[in-house]
Amino acid sequence: GAVVSQHPSRVICKSGTSVKIECRSLDFQATTMFWYRQFPKQSLMLMATSNEGSKATYEQGVEKDKFLINHASLTLSTLTVTSAHPEDSSFYICSARDRGLNQPQHFGDGTRLSIL
Amino acid sequence: QKEVEQNSGPLSVPEGAIASLNCTYSDRGSQSFFWYRQYSGKSPELIMSIYSNGDKEDGRFTAQLNKASQYVSLLIRDSQPSDSATYLCAVGRAGNNRKLIWGLGTSLAVNP
Repeated sequence: GAVVSQHPSRVICKSGTSVKIECRSLDFQATTMFWYRQFPKQSLMLMATSNEGSKATYEQGVEKDKFLINHASLTLSTLTVTSAHPEDSSFYICSARDRGLNQPQHFGDGTRLSIL
Repeated sequence: QKEVEQNSGPLSVPEGAIASLNCTYSDRGSQSFFWYRQYSGKSPELIMSIYSNGDKEDGRFTAQLNKASQYVSLLIRDSQPSDSATYLCAVGRAGNNRKLIWGLGTSLAVNP
């Protein structure tokens, strides 16, 4: 089945640090990848849609300068949390869709980010 | 009205029983429907996808879609304690940058 690799799985760092998270589709080409954030005991929240070779589409209320997304190839998208602060601590999850109509999203294992 | 609605639960069923999870959606133009399972602290995992009216079975799981009623359900037969998780309903619409619209999830507890 479709496999999406995400790393690192866990990051603990000081306030003000920028953190990069990578998301790779291992056995398929993903023209579109998605970045989600999930706070404890809350629902999954879409942050942005990452399009290969073009600018990401951010959801309302998500700061594009704070959460930088790069989708440079058909198998790799990165999310950089710039100058992270404690309120950015969360579970960040990426997903990717294979080409073709109505394909499901397959998720990476997520990155647990803790900002001290 | 939320775009995709699910009962938050918790839904509690005894081991071996049938668990029935329900989801309604508002956009009649929706074309694809998915059920994901999410264990606490983990990322979502695809359980079932369904695209046309009727039933689709995969092992102990059956997805049911009724587009006229804008309703999609997931039945879990012979429920096991390992099925205890949050079940997320997701709906895909044509021409919407391929993103999914998510329900808030239903928490299922299967009691041994």
